[in-house]
Amino acid sequence: AQTVTQSQPEMSVQEAETVTLSCTYDTSESDYYLFWYKQPPSRQMILVIRQEAYKQQNATENRFSVNFQKAAKSFSLKISDSQLGDAAMYFCAYSNYGGSQGNLIFGKGTKLSVKP
Amino acid sequence: NAGVTQTPKFRILKIGQSMTLQCTQDMNHNYMYWYRQDPGMGLKLIYYSVGAGITDKGEVPNGYNVSRSTTEDFPLRLELAAPSQTSVYFCASSYSFGQGNSPLHFGNGTRLTVT
Repeated sequence: AQTVTQSQPEMSVQEAETVTLSCTYDTSESDYYLFWYKQPPSRQMILVIRQEAYKQQNATENRFSVNFQKAAKSFSLKISDSQLGDAAMYFCAYSNYGGSQGNLIFGKGTKLSVKP
Repeated sequence: NAGVTQTPKFRILKIGQSMTLQCTQDMNHNYMYWYRQDPGMGLKLIYYSVGAGITDKGEVPNGYNVSRSTTEDFPLRLELAAPSQTSVYFCASSYSFGQGNSPLHFGNGTRLTVT
């Protein structure tokens, strides 16, 4: 069974600085997807960024980028120029490729605080 | 744009009571999902549906039932509420099955407390 581990329950960053959130996963599949979701106090789950395992290039979305290390099964999220609105819970998630799965496997989350 | 709408936002149930969590989406998505989020945890899949009339179990289906009579609606039924079902429930939808080319669109969640 696939698992997702986020080893940092809480992180803190100064506004305008850069922070990296860690995520490791375990799977025997070669093709899969990885995601970072943001959950602000409003509770809504917001997709931040996704990565296809077959792509070697790291995904980027504006101030958000990932460091995807397939061999190490590592998928970290880097937030550059942190803003107060980035404060939230961040969840790393895994999904098998194609066909049978709408089943996202989530980590336990990292609570990010942004200090002004 | 309404997206995925869940009602109610909050609910308190007594042990043994039943209730239905409502979910509707206006994006004409075939695929819909119910997740629960326990305190300090990520989401876990309860049930999902690939289209009207078709549903299947996810990782934690015990104590729940679903139906999908229309594309838009995917209600979740709790028949005999138990304290272990205290959680936040999220409904989601997607254009295709799986996440690759079709990210999930989430509702705002329903916080349920069973006492």
